[in-house]
Amino acid sequence: QKEVEQDPGPLSVPEGAIVSLNCTYSNSAFQYFMWYRQYSRKGPELLMYTYSSGNKEDGRFTAQVDKSSKYISLFIRDSQPSDSATYLCAISYTNSGKSTFGDGTTLTVKP
Amino acid sequence: NAGVTQTPKFQVLKTGQSMTLQCAQDMNHNSMYWYRQDPGMGLRLIYYSASEGTTDKGEVPNGYNVSRLNKREFSLRLESAAPSQTSVYFCASRRPGATNTEAFFGQGTRLTVV
Repeated sequence: QKEVEQDPGPLSVPEGAIVSLNCTYSNSAFQYFMWYRQYSRKGPELLMYTYSSGNKEDGRFTAQVDKSSKYISLFIRDSQPSDSATYLCAISYTNSGKSTFGDGTTLTVKP
Repeated sequence: NAGVTQTPKFQVLKTGQSMTLQCAQDMNHNSMYWYRQDPGMGLRLIYYSASEGTTDKGEVPNGYNVSRLNKREFSLRLESAAPSQTSVYFCASRRPGATNTEAFFGQGTRLTVV
């Protein structure tokens, strides 16, 4: 069993839609939860970071962690064509930097 | 501000050839990483270096070697390339101890082994 499973997609939505991206993980010892955005032919860049359970909001983006269900989500409100990218969830046991990544969900936002 | 720089950006190798992928960061980070990314898959850790002079295996180290030349540079070597090593390779760096566990990634090296 993979340590982290990500909803595969691809996902195509109209501009302005609310997008939900999801991952599940297997080990309750994971403490750090990240979402990276990767544009085509570019390296990933950190979008959101959450430690332990709870919600974190940054503009149109909200990251949610439910440790009891081992479930993490990224919500994008008022989606824009510029949000079209692959989104990768990543989890880590410690702050040491070794992260395990999901396979990614490719999102297309159509004008 | 260059961040993480990888060279080359593209490479085609014949089976059995060797090559070294170069990575350098100018952010004074202690930790550096090499990942590979295959189509439709996430990033898989090949090797990492927590600090200058130390290296450790990641999830998929077979067929690769690394060298942490100094604090700035972390190279990945393929001694005898195989078609299964066709992938996009990303180097990343991170400053450990930061509350934000952000890793900064390079632009990637697209390697094809024929």
